[in-house]
Amino acid sequence: NAGVMQNPRHLVRRRGQEARLRCSPMKGHSHVYWYRQLPEEGLKFMVYLQKENIIDESGMPKERFSAEFPKEGPSILRIQQVVRGDSAAYFCASSPLAPEGTEAFFGQGTRLTVV
Amino acid sequence: GENVEQHPSTLSVQEGDSAVIKCTYSDSASNYFPWYKQELGKGPQLIIDIRSNVGEKKDQRIAVTLNKTAKHFSLHITETQPEDSAVYFCAAPKAGTALIFGKGTTLSVSS
Repeated sequence: NAGVMQNPRHLVRRRGQEARLRCSPMKGHSHVYWYRQLPEEGLKFMVYLQKENIIDESGMPKERFSAEFPKEGPSILRIQQVVRGDSAAYFCASSPLAPEGTEAFFGQGTRLTVV
Repeated sequence: GENVEQHPSTLSVQEGDSAVIKCTYSDSASNYFPWYKQELGKGPQLIIDIRSNVGEKKDQRIAVTLNKTAKHFSLHITETQPEDSAVYFCAAPKAGTALIFGKGTTLSVSS
């Protein structure tokens, strides 16, 4: 059973471009979470999705950021018109049940650099 | 919503010593408390977790204790080894939604 797969591992974008980060959860997991980690900082919650539904997006900036988890295919975190402050590591996690009931497994992250 | 505080932010120990990291949480309804280890350039990995129906859980050199009354839980690592050097995160669930993480503790074990 493969773990949580994120791609790309590294992404470089110029200011103003779009960044698309992909996350394939573990097999059988229908809950997906996105976190952002700035250098030498903790994991900041962004958004929680179940298949085709956004459950909690309270940690995601209102502008330029969006997330989806379609019925088929990976979850996508999309950042439009990237700025230097978006440079960070973005981690995806998945779990088979809601977070209070079971552990969440993390991917290796996508490191976004905006130049 | 849930707020998780973690101390200390950095911890340096000699190989063979014990290390203790403490976390407090704010939501008394929280009932699941995991600890994650993150090595440089990698994603966080779950190392141990505890649910609110027990006060302590051990797995070899690692243990976690939970005090629900005081709303705090701690990670204990005994007989530390250089490979224990990493960043450790505690977490607690925000009601009905995702895990909220502490800011992390950078543990350095010197030989």
